[in-house]
Amino acid sequence: GDSVTQMEGPVTLSEEAFLTINCTYTATGYPSLFWYVQYPGEGLQLLLKATKADDKGSNKGFEATYRKETTSFHLEKGSVQVSDSAVYFCALSREGRRALTFGSGTRLQVQP
Amino acid sequence: GAGVSQSPSNKVTEKGKDVELRCDPISGHTALYWYRQSLGQGLEFLIYFQGNSAPDKSGLPSDRFSAERTGGSVSTLTIQRTQQEDSAVYLCASRQGDSNQPQHFGDGTRLSIL
Repeated sequence: GDSVTQMEGPVTLSEEAFLTINCTYTATGYPSLFWYVQYPGEGLQLLLKATKADDKGSNKGFEATYRKETTSFHLEKGSVQVSDSAVYFCALSREGRRALTFGSGTRLQVQP
Repeated sequence: GAGVSQSPSNKVTEKGKDVELRCDPISGHTALYWYRQSLGQGLEFLIYFQGNSAPDKSGLPSDRFSAERTGGSVSTLTIQRTQQEDSAVYLCASRQGDSNQPQHFGDGTRLSIL
């Protein structure tokens, strides 16, 4: 079945550091890939998405590239801020399996 | 515009009681989902509604859980005879278009069973 694997957290960085959160997936066909972010006490917000191989999603300085050859969708940001502290979820959706399949989430803590 | 609205935001109840959780999706979104977020299990899919089609109930954990969607809009998730393991945050999401489109989430209902 479909699955998404994320790196374990928490990830603790200093402000302005470079961020990478790894995400790999297993799915049949050609899934769409998403990153969602959850701030404390809130629901999930879409951060970015990519719907086909080699697509790059980007938003708020975050980027992720859909790599079919490595079945990966790693999240990156060049310079994190304290306000980026949150839990980040990688997810996929696929025709015929309409619900999102989520990774376990990675907590990011950015220190001033 | 208005996002997905869920109520109540918090619910505390005694074991054995029934609870109803409400979701008001984004206007015009034909697809509606319920998920459960708990510490040990991460994000679990519960049920999916699409237009007038029969719902996909494959994620419901037991027959104590049920959901309905009236008029293609508001949805209610009902948990009967609640157990302590039902304690979690219940998230609702809606989507328009096909599965390439993102789901938009509400802030969730935090359910605590005493």
